[in-house]
Amino acid sequence: QKEVEQNSGPLSVPEGAIASLNCTYSDRGSQSFFWYRQYSGKSPELIMSIYSNGDKEDGRFTAQLNKASQYVSLLIRDSQPSDSATYLCAVSDTGTASKLTFGTGTRLQVTL
Amino acid sequence: DTAVSQTPKYLVTQMGNDKSIKCEQNLGHDTMYWYKQDSKKFLKIMFSYNNKELIINETVPNRFSPKSPDKAHLNLHINSLELGDSAVYFCASSRDRGETQYFGPGTRLLVL
Repeated sequence: QKEVEQNSGPLSVPEGAIASLNCTYSDRGSQSFFWYRQYSGKSPELIMSIYSNGDKEDGRFTAQLNKASQYVSLLIRDSQPSDSATYLCAVSDTGTASKLTFGTGTRLQVTL
Repeated sequence: DTAVSQTPKYLVTQMGNDKSIKCEQNLGHDTMYWYKQDSKKFLKIMFSYNNKELIINETVPNRFSPKSPDKAHLNLHINSLELGDSAVYFCASSRDRGETQYFGPGTRLLVL
C-alpha cells in the first residue's frame, strides 16, 4: 500500500513568517511530486511540482525534495492570510502525473 | 469560460437510488479523471480516461461506472447508492497523462 503522510495540523504561523510543510512517502519508486492548495469548499489547485532532488523556487514558494529520505517539503516565505488553506502533497510512481497518490493534507493558518 | 465544469454541484438522495454526475472540460485535454474526497479530506483517484479509453481503474465497487462519450466529457454513474458514498467527487483533466491536472469545482453528494 503506497502511502503519503502529512501532519494534519493546523499549522499556525504569523503573517510574514515562513511556513514549512512536510510530506513523507513510502514508495521508493516515486518519481514525481506535487503540492496542491485547497481552500475550504473549493477544488485543489496545483502550486508546485518537483521531479529531481534539491530545491525548486517559484515566487514565495520553494519545494524541496530528498529522495533518499523519501521526503518532500514546501516552504512559503512571507506568509499571507490568503495562504491559509489545506496543502495536499501528491506523489506519482511514474515519470508522469497520470496516477497521483495524495496525502491527507496539512491545514495552514496564517494569523495577523 | 469555465475550464472544468461538473453538474450537479450538490446532490442529496436516498439510499438505494441511482444517480449520475457529469463532467465537461473545454481545455482540449485528452485525459480526464474522477477523484473521491471523503469527510477527512482524503483525495483518492477512482478512474482515468485517455482519449476515451479507460487507463486507470482503482479498486472501487462496481456500482460505480464511468463513461466517456468523447474526449471532453467524463460521466460517473452510481447504482444503489450507500451511505458511505457520501463525499465530494472531483473531476479533473490534463493535456495528456503526465501533465498538470486541473480540477473541477466538485460535486457534493449526500446519501441519506
